[in-house]
Amino acid sequence: DSGVTQTPKHLITATGQRVTLRCSPRSGDLSVYWYQQSLDQGLQFLIQYYNGEERAKGNILERFSAQQFPDLHSELNLSSLELGDSALYFCASSVASSETQYFGPGTRLLVL
Amino acid sequence: EDQVTQSPEALRLQEGESSSLNCSYTVSGLRGLFWYRQDPGKGPEFLFTLYSAGEEKEKERLKATLTKKESFLHITAPKPEDSATYLCAVQANTGNQFYFGTGTSLTVIP
Repeated sequence: DSGVTQTPKHLITATGQRVTLRCSPRSGDLSVYWYQQSLDQGLQFLIQYYNGEERAKGNILERFSAQQFPDLHSELNLSSLELGDSALYFCASSVASSETQYFGPGTRLLVL
Repeated sequence: EDQVTQSPEALRLQEGESSSLNCSYTVSGLRGLFWYRQDPGKGPEFLFTLYSAGEEKEKERLKATLTKKESFLHITAPKPEDSATYLCAVQANTGNQFYFGTGTSLTVIP
């Protein structure tokens, strides 16, 4: 158990809908990262927050957005969902920006 | 362009048969290289962090090494429970992004 929690574990929704994924980092960690992992691709970095502020942006679609709240938990919002958005979404946390990341168990999203 | 390539894509070993996994990278200055283990449907589990060429880290049957252009994960006398996908990631000095390779799927046969 890494200490990073993600909810929900599974999510089934329809195309065009909007969902919110939630992540609580390990106690003491200030950085939160979001990744997408689909079958045909490796882990794709989406976005990083550090102590409430956006620190780095990867291959995140405009339909996706994220934020980190004062209590350091983070939410990833996915809107206008498409079939191709079906994937595992992982959250990771680290103490600072350049430290080892610890991953949560992931949220499996299925868009029908 | 920053890039991480892992080889082989898949590896089947007999129990006790030692081998190495490769991770080659091109980044504009390496801040850190990370090895993770991932079981199907689960989050990656941290194994090692390496920061500079020549550095080595060991944990049980695993040993990670780093050169200026690649890293190796050596597995000595593997057991079936070592079966998993092993992921390599790098962080460049410029920016804060982490780049992951697509992994090596290891199967250890009893």
